[in-house]
Order: sequence, then structure tokens, then C-alpha cells
Amino acid sequence: GAVVSQHPSRVICKSGTSVKIECRSLDFQATTMFWYRQFPKQSLMLMATSNEGSKATYEQGVEKDKFLINHASLTLSTLTVTSAHPEDSSFYICSANRGGAEAFFGQGTRLTVV
Amino acid sequence: GDSVTQMEGPVTLSEEAFLTINCTYTATGYPSLFWYVQYPGEGLQLLLKATKADDKGSNKGFEATYRKETTSFHLEKGSVQVSDSAVYFCALSLISNFGNEKLTFGTGTRLTIIP
Repeated sequence: GAVVSQHPSRVICKSGTSVKIECRSLDFQATTMFWYRQFPKQSLMLMATSNEGSKATYEQGVEKDKFLINHASLTLSTLTVTSAHPEDSSFYICSANRGGAEAFFGQGTRLTVV
Repeated sequence: GDSVTQMEGPVTLSEEAFLTINCTYTATGYPSLFWYVQYPGEGLQLLLKATKADDKGSNKGFEATYRKETTSFHLEKGSVQVSDSAVYFCALSLISNFGNEKLTFGTGTRLTIIP
């Protein structure tokens, strides 16, 4: 149990377009999901905490209008990168908690903006 | 702020060699400490954890001891296998202002085991 599925695993988009990444908890309900990004040779950096039915909580320095997060149900959170630019190219990872401290992670999404 | 410093990779070892991946941390308060592993094409999985000083986490032959005096949580395995090839992340967890467990990660260490 405790599987988190992230889709797509890879996406290439043109500069100026928007990209949506989905994070689903397949066999449990997640009231809280987390979105991270990772630049090459750097740590996973927490971007935002996604709470079902309420607004996401963004970390300092993360543009909320740039990275739109919607947690519409207990099993789905989406991250939309709006008006993507090459500097947004990165590895994005979601995680979900099943009510305890342990986090369950998706496979990650490699975004390339050309 | 809270941070995790992890041994840079990549690390390449022969099968049955001894493995150590160093991890040190800086944190206010008393964090829980974790090692996560990411196999190719998969998400991060919890490998082991320790929640207080002197605790030893262990799983699949891997061990790490929470050392408060040296603020370290080094990962060790006595005899690695090819199947251990993966990226390993050290992380700490503290309760955020919103009551959630907030993870802070190291950069990850890519481990390759050759037969």
C-alpha cells in the first residue's frame, strides 16, 4: 500500500506555455501533499504544501502565481507551471502523508522548457 | 535555517564492499532523521529513520545512528550488492509552523555497485 503516482514522468514544452503535473495517492487518502523541485546536483527544495480544500502554503521565494497548486480531492493534487521559461526546467517531485510522519513520494517529473 | 549536508557522489564500489555515505545536519530543535532511496525510474522510498539521539535505524542491511554530539546520521552497509545501486537522500524532519512534518533534504548521493 501507500503508492503515489505522478504524471507525466517527462514533459517538454515551449517557452510561454503552461504545464500541469498530477500527483495521485492511489490507495490512501492524503489531506496533505507536498511539492518539491530539484536542480542538478542540488537538494530537493520544498516549494509548497498542498492542503485538500484550502489554499496551498508556499515556501518563501516561490511565486504562487507562477506555480499554481490545486488539491481538489483527497487523492489528487496538481501543480501547474504557468508561462514556463527555460529557468523553470527542473525535476519536480510530489509526496503525500498518510496521516503520520512518513512521506510517500511520486516518481518525479522531468520538465524541460525549450 | 535547517539544512542537511551529504557526501557528494557519484560513489562507485565493487560488490561486497563496505559502504559509508556521510550525512550531517543543522537544525533548531530536535529533528527526526531519515534516509530515502530512489531506484532508477521510481519514487523516493523510506529506507530507515531515527527519531531521537542514539537511535539506530536499520533496514535491508543498511544502518544509521543518530549522533547528536556530531550532528550526524551516516549511512553504512557491510556488504553492498548490485541491487543497491540507487540515489540515496539524507533528510531531517521538523514540525512546521502549520503542524506538518516538513522534510529538508540533502543533495543525494548516486551509488553504483559493479559486479
